[in-house]
Amino acid sequence: AQKVTQAQTEISVVEKEDVTLDCVYETRDTTYYLFWYKQPPSGELVFLIRRNSFDEQNEISGRYSWNFQKSTSSFNFTITASQVVDSAVYFCALSEGAAAGNKLTFGGGTRVLVKP
Amino acid sequence: GAGVSQSPSNKVTEKGKDVELRCDPISGHTALYWYRQSLGQGLEFLIYFQGNSAPDKSGLPSDRFSAERTGGSVSTLTIQRTQQEDSAVYLCASSLEGGSSYNEQFFGPGTRLTVL
Repeated sequence: AQKVTQAQTEISVVEKEDVTLDCVYETRDTTYYLFWYKQPPSGELVFLIRRNSFDEQNEISGRYSWNFQKSTSSFNFTITASQVVDSAVYFCALSEGAAAGNKLTFGGGTRVLVKP
Repeated sequence: GAGVSQSPSNKVTEKGKDVELRCDPISGHTALYWYRQSLGQGLEFLIYFQGNSAPDKSGLPSDRFSAERTGGSVSTLTIQRTQQEDSAVYLCASSLEGGSSYNEQFFGPGTRLTVL
């Protein structure tokens, strides 16, 4: 069965510091998809990024970047120059593909607090 | 366009009563998911609908939980004989096509259920 682990339960930083969120996953599938979602205090889950298991290219999108390493089953997420509005709970999630109905398995979440 | 909407936003009920939670997916989205977010269990998958196919009920925690989707659009999650451990935020999500894992899921604001 699939599993997603976010070892960090809470991270507190001062504005403009970088924040890296760790995510480790387990799956027996060779094709799978990884996601990061943000849950601000309002409660609604917001999609941030998606990565496919066959594409390990790391990318940067604005202040967000991610580091996908299949060898270590990790999918870490970095917020550069954090802002107060980045304060939220961040969830890493795994989908094992169409055969599994695309349902998401979530990690426990990491609460990020950015102080001014 | 409108996002995923859920009603009610909050529901307080007494132990043993039945409750119905409603989800209106994004227009044109054929896949619909229900998840539950609780302090003890985190974010967990409950049930998945894709078009006219039989739903994937593998995540429902007990036979007190059921869901239906009428006309391929609105969905209702019903919890019978509610228990205190059912207290959680129930999240609905929809996506364009559940058969393709490229399609991210868009989440509604959730229904916070409190069982007294």
